[in-house]
Amino acid sequence: KAGVTQTPRYLIKTRGQQVTLSCSPISGHRSVSWYQQTPGQGLQFLFEYFSETQRNKGNFPGRFSGRQFSNSRSEMNVSTLELGDSALYLCASSTSGVSTDTQYFGPGTRLTVL
Amino acid sequence: AQSVTQLDSQVPVFEEAPVELRCNYSSSVSVYLFWYVQYPNQGLQLLLKYLSGSTLVKGINGFEAEFNKSQTSFHLRKPSVHISDTAEYFCAVIYSGGSNYKLTFGKGTLLTVNP
Repeated sequence: KAGVTQTPRYLIKTRGQQVTLSCSPISGHRSVSWYQQTPGQGLQFLFEYFSETQRNKGNFPGRFSGRQFSNSRSEMNVSTLELGDSALYLCASSTSGVSTDTQYFGPGTRLTVL
Repeated sequence: AQSVTQLDSQVPVFEEAPVELRCNYSSSVSVYLFWYVQYPNQGLQLLLKYLSGSTLVKGINGFEAEFNKSQTSFHLRKPSVHISDTAEYFCAVIYSGGSNYKLTFGKGTLLTVNP
């Protein structure tokens, strides 16, 4: 089985722009979660989608949004980018969600905001 | 607030030496505990997890961890490390008391194995 894929792998944007990141889960997985990783804050949970519905959300401003399509692929959008949004964005997929299920992580998208 | 503390940000060891990476979590009624490893420029890979049952959990690559409820700890151990174990290690917890499950991660421990 192919693993979790994330596109693009690297992205450079300027302040005020918006960005969309994509995540394709492992075939058969219906849950996709997103995380932000920064040197200062570490790994922080953004949100989880399951069967096209947001099931859980972390403590991030409304500029961070996401969605999931019927094929379980997910996108994450960040509007009005700030310098502090520079981070590695990881997505993870699992069969039934964030619980006892093993989360399989993608390689991440490294976003740099100038 | 629910939290995970990894007591050491960096742990340098020599090859073939034993290692212990420490992790403590906030006290709670019921938790699921995980250790993940992240190699440079890669995502996270699950090493092992504790859900219930035996408190000693064995994982991949020769790692094991022990759940200690009284000390709210879940330390990761390996009896003999290799150069290839050099990576960042993250402890994570799910507090299973509510209906919304979130993975809460520690800040990570950078394990550097020197020849």
